[in-house]
Amino acid sequence: KAGVTQTPRYLIKTRGQQVTLSCSPISGHRSVSWYQQTPGQGLQFLFEYFSETQRNKGNFPGRFSGRQFSNSRSEMNVSTLELGDSALYLCASSLAGGAGITDTQYFGPGTRLTVL
Amino acid sequence: AQSVAQPEDQVNVAEGNPLTVKCTYSVSGNPYLFWYVQYPNRGLQFLLKYITGDNLVKGSYGFEAEFNKSQTSFHLKKPSALVSDSALYFCAVKAGTALIFGKGTTLSVSS
Repeated sequence: KAGVTQTPRYLIKTRGQQVTLSCSPISGHRSVSWYQQTPGQGLQFLFEYFSETQRNKGNFPGRFSGRQFSNSRSEMNVSTLELGDSALYLCASSLAGGAGITDTQYFGPGTRLTVL
Repeated sequence: AQSVAQPEDQVNVAEGNPLTVKCTYSVSGNPYLFWYVQYPNRGLQFLLKYITGDNLVKGSYGFEAEFNKSQTSFHLKKPSALVSDSALYFCAVKAGTALIFGKGTTLSVSS
């Protein structure tokens, strides 16, 4: 099976712009989660989508949003970019059987976002 | 609130020696614990998880982890380290459907 894919792999934007990142989960996986990784804050959970609905959300401002399509692919959007949004954004997919709490999340390679 | 702690920023070990990367947890309810590894400029790779049952969990690439409820620990181990094991290791706990990660431990294996 193909793994989780993320596009683009690298992105450079300027402050105030907006950006959209894409994630394709492993075939058959219905849950997609997003994480932000920075040197200072480490790995932080952004949100999780299941069956096109946001099921869980981390502690990030409303500038960070996402959605999931009927084929389980997901996009994440960041509006009004700030310098501090520079990070590696990781997408993970899982089967999400039941409540999904014991599922293993499988990660993609990430999108490296640089905000200038 | 669920949390994990990795008390060591870096662990250094010689190739062929056993390695241990430490993790302690704090949870309300049942702990669902995971180990991931990250190589430079790569995403996270799943190594193993503890859900319930046997306290010794075996995972990928020869790694294993020991769950200890009384010490609230979930240490990652490998009997014989390889230079290629050098990477950043993360312990994580499930909080609902989210993973809460430790800050990570850099493992350096010297030849």
